[in-house]
Amino acid sequence: KAGVTQTPRYLIKTRGQQVTLSCSPISGHRSVSWYQQTPGQGLQFLFEYFSETQRNKGNFPGRFSGRQFSNSRSEMNVSTLELGDSALYLCASSLESEAFFGQGTRLTVV
Amino acid sequence: AQSVTQLGSHVSVSEGALVLLRCNYSSSVPPYLFWYVQYPNQGLQLLLKYTTGATLVKGINGFEAEFKKSETSFHLTKPSAHMSDAAEYFCAVSGGRGSTLGRLYFGRGTQLTVWP
Repeated sequence: KAGVTQTPRYLIKTRGQQVTLSCSPISGHRSVSWYQQTPGQGLQFLFEYFSETQRNKGNFPGRFSGRQFSNSRSEMNVSTLELGDSALYLCASSLESEAFFGQGTRLTVV
Repeated sequence: AQSVTQLGSHVSVSEGALVLLRCNYSSSVPPYLFWYVQYPNQGLQLLLKYTTGATLVKGINGFEAEFKKSETSFHLTKPSAHMSDAAEYFCAVSGGRGSTLGRLYFGRGTQLTVWP
């Protein structure tokens, strides 16, 4: 069974640009969540989607957005990038009692 | 509200020694508790979980954890450390019920170093 796939693995962007990250969950999983991981703030929750609906949202500015498609694949978008957005972005797909994480996308903003 | 506190951001042990990583939580609902491990530039791998039932749970790679409701703790142990255990470990509590697991609340992590 394939795991959670995140693309791309690494990304370098310039301040002010926008970026889209992709996540393909495990087959059959309808819930996808996104987390940002930085050395200073640790693991912070961005949002959760279930059956194309956003169920929960963390405390991030509106520049961070996401969506989920009918096949459960999810994307997150960050507009007007700032240096502080440099982080490892992790996607998790989950069932009722277990969450499985992808390898993450390492975003560097220069 | 849910939150997790991991005591000790760095733990060092000798190979073959006992590993003990501490985790305390607060939760407004009966908690689901998790331990994850992260190797450099990798995602999070689930080591073990507690949902209901037996309070001593066994996970992968010889790790186990005990849920103690009275102490609101979920400490991770391994009787004998191996060099390959060196990694960062995260304790997490779930805020969800029903059809989805919901948001996970993570501790700040504990970096485990294993000396030969």
